[in-house]
Amino acid sequence: KAGVTQTPRYLIKTRGQQVTLSCSPISGHRSVSWYQQTPGQGLQFLFEYFSETQRNKGNFPGRFSGRQFSNSRSEMNVSTLELGDSALYLCASSLAGGVQETEAFFGQGTRLTVV
Amino acid sequence: SQQGEEDPQALSIQEGENATMNCSYKTSINNLQWYRQNSGRGLVHLILIRSNEREKHSGRLRVTLDTSKKSSSLLITASRAADTASYFCATERGGSQGNLIFGKGTKLSVKP
Repeated sequence: KAGVTQTPRYLIKTRGQQVTLSCSPISGHRSVSWYQQTPGQGLQFLFEYFSETQRNKGNFPGRFSGRQFSNSRSEMNVSTLELGDSALYLCASSLAGGVQETEAFFGQGTRLTVV
Repeated sequence: SQQGEEDPQALSIQEGENATMNCSYKTSINNLQWYRQNSGRGLVHLILIRSNEREKHSGRLRVTLDTSKKSSSLLITASRAADTASYFCATERGGSQGNLIFGKGTKLSVKP
């Protein structure tokens, strides 16, 4: 069974640009969540998508957005990049949607550097 | 804000020794999970313990949960150099499986 795939693995962008990151969840998983990891703030929740709908949203500015497609693949977009957006962006997929507790499976992440 | 806070922030031990990491959280939980992260890579799920469980084992891992103290501990027995990684506890925000709150993690270094 293929794991969670994130592309690209590494990205360098200039301040003011925008970026789109992609995440392909494990087959059959309908929930995709995004997290930002920085040395200072640690792992912070960005948003969760379930069946193409944003179900939860973290405390990030509107420059951070996402979407989910009918095949559960998800993208997140960051517009008007700032230096502070440099981070490891992690995507996680899970079965979710039910009462059964289940683990989240994480991708290897996309390392974004804003210069 | 961080729900879980791990302690210690860093731990250095010799191969063969046991490693214990602690996690405290603030609100009531359905379950608590532990994850491992090798340097700059994705997180790997280690174990999930439900709020009505007090202890759980998985291989060399032992997790305890004390809901009255809002704390959990992860014990790795007979550690190996390959256990070198950061370890995070996580709880679900608002009971949502897709919305995890992570602590800042314990960085474990196991010296051969």
